[in-house]
Amino acid sequence: AQKVTQAQTEISVVEKEDVTLDCVYETRDTTYYLFWYKQPPSGELVFLIRRNSFDEQNEISGRYSWNFQKSTSSFNFTITASQVVDSAVYFCALSVYGANSKLTFGKGITLSVRP
Amino acid sequence: GAGVSQSPRYKVAKRGQDVALRCDPISGHVSLFWYQQALGQGPEFLTYFQNEAQLDKSGLPSDRFFAERPEGSVSTLKIQRTQQEDSAVYLCASSRDTTDTQYFGPGTRLTVL
Repeated sequence: AQKVTQAQTEISVVEKEDVTLDCVYETRDTTYYLFWYKQPPSGELVFLIRRNSFDEQNEISGRYSWNFQKSTSSFNFTITASQVVDSAVYFCALSVYGANSKLTFGKGITLSVRP
Repeated sequence: GAGVSQSPRYKVAKRGQDVALRCDPISGHVSLFWYQQALGQGPEFLTYFQNEAQLDKSGLPSDRFFAERPEGSVSTLKIQRTQQEDSAVYLCASSRDTTDTQYFGPGTRLTVL
């Protein structure tokens, strides 16, 4: 069975601070995919990134960066110079190749960025 | 629009009523998923379609929940004899194929009184 743990529940920062959202996953499968989604107050889940288990290269997209480490089963997400618009709930998720690709989500981290 | 759409956005039902929730996936997307999101929790898988075939319904919480996708595009999630514990946001997602990224709709917030 798959499991995703987001130990942080709520984080509050002041605008322009950097913030890291942690994600730890568990799976016995060797081929899998990791995701981050953002859920703003409007409720829609917005796709941010997808990584496969064979690609441990870190990725940067603007103010967002992701650090994937198989050795610690972690897939952490950093927002640099946070902005008020980054306030949302962030979910880490896992799917396994060869199954029906259903997503297993963590409980989410509520990020509040204060002006 | 080009995204996944869901209707209604909000639904209030009295306990015992039947409800039907609709999902319009992105055009051409083969795979369609339903998830249930309780307040303050992450979404949980309910069921999965590939075209019109329902290949996995292991997440449906009871036999009161039923989903269909008869022509391989629009899907309907039906809940019979609603109970208060059914109150949640129901999210639909679609993807080009089984292994591709899932894109979500805005969800239907169901409140059972």
